[in-house]
Amino acid sequence: DVKVTQSSRYLVKRTGEKVFLECVQDMDHENMFWYRQDPGLGLRLIYFSYDVKMKEKGDIPEGYSVSREKKERFSLILESASTNQTSMYLCASSLSGIAGAFEQFFGPGTRLTVL
Amino acid sequence: SQQGEEDPQALSIQEGENATMNCSYKTSINNLQWYRQNSGRGLVHLILIRSNEREKHSGRLRVTLDTSKKSSSLLITASRAADTDSYFCATSNTGGFKTIFGAGTRLFVKA
Repeated sequence: DVKVTQSSRYLVKRTGEKVFLECVQDMDHENMFWYRQDPGLGLRLIYFSYDVKMKEKGDIPEGYSVSREKKERFSLILESASTNQTSMYLCASSLSGIAGAFEQFFGPGTRLTVL
Repeated sequence: SQQGEEDPQALSIQEGENATMNCSYKTSINNLQWYRQNSGRGLVHLILIRSNEREKHSGRLRVTLDTSKKSSSLLITASRAADTDSYFCATSNTGGFKTIFGAGTRLFVKA
């Protein structure tokens, strides 16, 4: 059974802290994605990666960075957390090729609150 | 920028009725997908329809795609209380690499 796991379901951090969100997939997928989800706005793509050490900016990359040192792991980093980064963060993975050509498998999400 | 936009934003029906959700988009697409999400958790893929397809079925789900109108619909027949969830359409642009999600339709099926 395919699986995408995220390191935390709930996380509370303080403004200015550096925050790491981890995502691991066991499907040997090339593509991995980080989204944030806010009410009324749907999912917005922050970053995606199509291979180890490769990354591309999504629609809202400001204030975030990513790391993909191993194929199965994709990390999202908030360099200096701010209150407007309070959100649900979803990780996903998919087979290679044009990203939208294949279904994406999602993790359960991390609800981050920045105080 | 948001590509797919679902309509209605919320839908409440009785068990056994059919539920229809619509999705409109602005630019040419490679394919369109529908996902469901329960209680703010991760999304689960339902169905993918390619730009050269007009209709697709999967169990009680029927998806249509009209590229001339840049719209798609998801029909759930004989709905059940367990179908209560949020439903999202997601589009992949021709030549693009990203999948863009709409804001979703919240479906509530009353038992």
